[in-house]
Amino acid sequence: DVKVTQSSRYLVKRTGEKVFLECVQDMDHENMFWYRQDPGLGLRLIYFSYDVKMKEKGDIPEGYSVSREKKERFSLILESASTNQTSMYLCASRVVRDQPQHFGDGTRLSIL
Amino acid sequence: RKEVEQDPGPFNVPEGATVAFNCTYSNSASQSFFWYRQDCRKEPKLLMSVYSSGNEDGRFTAQLNRASQYISLLIRDSKLSDSATYLCVVTSGYSTLTFGKGTMLLVSP
Repeated sequence: DVKVTQSSRYLVKRTGEKVFLECVQDMDHENMFWYRQDPGLGLRLIYFSYDVKMKEKGDIPEGYSVSREKKERFSLILESASTNQTSMYLCASRVVRDQPQHFGDGTRLSIL
Repeated sequence: RKEVEQDPGPFNVPEGATVAFNCTYSNSASQSFFWYRQDCRKEPKLLMSVYSSGNEDGRFTAQLNRASQYISLLIRDSKLSDSATYLCVVTSGYSTLTFGKGTMLLVSP
């Protein structure tokens, strides 16, 4: 079974802090993704990476950056956290294009 | 027109009923299609891929209609445990994946 692990299930941070969300997959998948999910808005793609050191902006990249130094790990960074970044963050990976994604458990992030 | 549209529901059905959801997409170049299930406050989990010829997995049947640009999910003999939100996903191109906002299903005793 594919295992996608997110570093925290719940996280509380303060406005202005730099926040790191980590995601690790154990299946040698090439593509990795970060989403946020908010009520009524569905899943929205923040960034994705199709290979090590590669990244592309998704639909809502503002206020976020990412890092993929190793194939198995994809990090999402909130440069200066704001209250409107309170959300459920989901990491996903897939083998290659046209294959389904597999999701981590999600991180519920609250910015106070 | 939104890229991927689903009726948000909720669909309220009794146990044992048959229920069907549709998902329409706007990009005719879309290539891959999937159905996911998401329980409350949990991550989406892959339910099934959708193939051009249609496919079945137990009580679940998925179909693709390219001419009318929609995919469907049919659930037969609904169980209480089928209560969840069902998301459709459409991919086109290397990076473009679009999720629908989901259809909520509530199965009652």
